[in-house]
Amino acid sequence: SQKIEQNSEALNIQEGKTATLTCNYTNYSPAYLQWYRQDPGRGPVFLLLIRENEKEKRKERLKVTFDTTLKQSLFHITASQPADSATYLCALDTGSARQLTFGSGTQLTVLP
Amino acid sequence: EAGVAQSPRYKIIEKRQSVAFWCNPISGHATLYWYQQILGQGPKLLIQFQNNGVVDDSQLPKDRFSAERLKGVDSTLKIQPAKLEDSAVYLCASSRTGWTRDYNEQFFGPGTRLTVL
Repeated sequence: SQKIEQNSEALNIQEGKTATLTCNYTNYSPAYLQWYRQDPGRGPVFLLLIRENEKEKRKERLKVTFDTTLKQSLFHITASQPADSATYLCALDTGSARQLTFGSGTQLTVLP
Repeated sequence: EAGVAQSPRYKIIEKRQSVAFWCNPISGHATLYWYQQILGQGPKLLIQFQNNGVVDDSQLPKDRFSAERLKGVDSTLKIQPAKLEDSAVYLCASSRTGWTRDYNEQFFGPGTRLTVL
């Protein structure tokens, strides 16, 4: 069956450290993968997109990798801050009309 | 630019009642999406419109849910009759183009939190 799995547990890290979030998928062949941030009571906000032919993408303190052989994406936040605390969602394009299928998200807490 | 607008923000109804949600996407965005997000889960696509046509409604429970996009702009999502398991946040999103090879980011509204008692 098709699945998208993110870190099953909430992730707590110390301020200043690098947070690494995982997104694994099975039985999909996405052309691209997106990462979103969601704060409580709000809709998701787009962060980064990485295409199937790209290994790595960076934006400020964010870095995403995409390994289509391992069927995995890693999302890194360097020099993390308490303001980075949120739920992070990965999403794959999974349909002929570029529909997105979301993982269940990883709740990240950055401790001061 | 103004973001995606949704109303109401909160709704409490009893089971078997009906409810409607409204969405106004970002001006000029051709594609509009409705998602259902149950607590602790990621958003699940219910229906996707390209202009005023339906691109995908494969996960929409059509016996109780319906949606329309008026003149390719605003959209409404209706549930009739509601069940307890419909309690969730209903998110509307829009994107610039649509189901082409363009890789569109989606812009989400704040959502409507529905509680069915």
